[in-house]
Amino acid sequence: ETGVTQSPTHLIKTRGQQVTLRCSSQSGHNTVSWYQQALGQGPQFIFQYYREEENGRGNFPPRFSGLQFPNYSSELNVNALELDDSALYLCASSLVQGETDTQYFGPGTRLTVL
Amino acid sequence: AQRVTQPEKLLSVFKGAPVELKCNYSYSGSPELFWYVQYSRQRLQLLLRHISRESIKGFTADLNKGETSFHLKKPFAQEEDSAMYYCALSVGGFKTIFGAGTRLFVKA
Repeated sequence: ETGVTQSPTHLIKTRGQQVTLRCSSQSGHNTVSWYQQALGQGPQFIFQYYREEENGRGNFPPRFSGLQFPNYSSELNVNALELDDSALYLCASSLVQGETDTQYFGPGTRLTVL
Repeated sequence: AQRVTQPEKLLSVFKGAPVELKCNYSYSGSPELFWYVQYSRQRLQLLLRHISRESIKGFTADLNKGETSFHLKKPFAQEEDSAMYYCALSVGGFKTIFGAGTRLFVKA
């Protein structure tokens, strides 16, 4: 059983650019959630995907978007990057069968916006 | 508003001393609460969840709906307990709200 992986590990972008972050879920998991973790803060929920459909969203603008693929891998896309988007981005996968289940986190992608 | 508050950013205790990490939540529905832990250079992982009512690595947490609290406790702290601890609230079955975290440092 493989764990959750994320790529890239680190990324540097400039303001106004677009970025795509990737996540490979744990084998057999059908749900992925994305979080933004600013320095010194807890993870902030961005959105969740369940069987390729967005299942819920936090307080993030539409320039944060996502995809979940049939193999349950996932992408987080951020358009028009702002300096405040600099953070650690975490994905977490879970196997949801009608109720909340344990989330397994990836190591994160550190995004720096200059 | 749904919110999780961890009032202490840092908690320092001696090995063998009791430890209590505080967590308060704000939620009008029936809460589902968790404690997550992140050890140095490791990823975030689930420590325990209130519906399981189990003890993990000697830690326990009791949900107190009257005080809207879910404090994490351990009677005798060990050096390997040093880590970042996050309290989290699940809302609607899909959204997890995390507190800002408490760094626990256990001194020898």
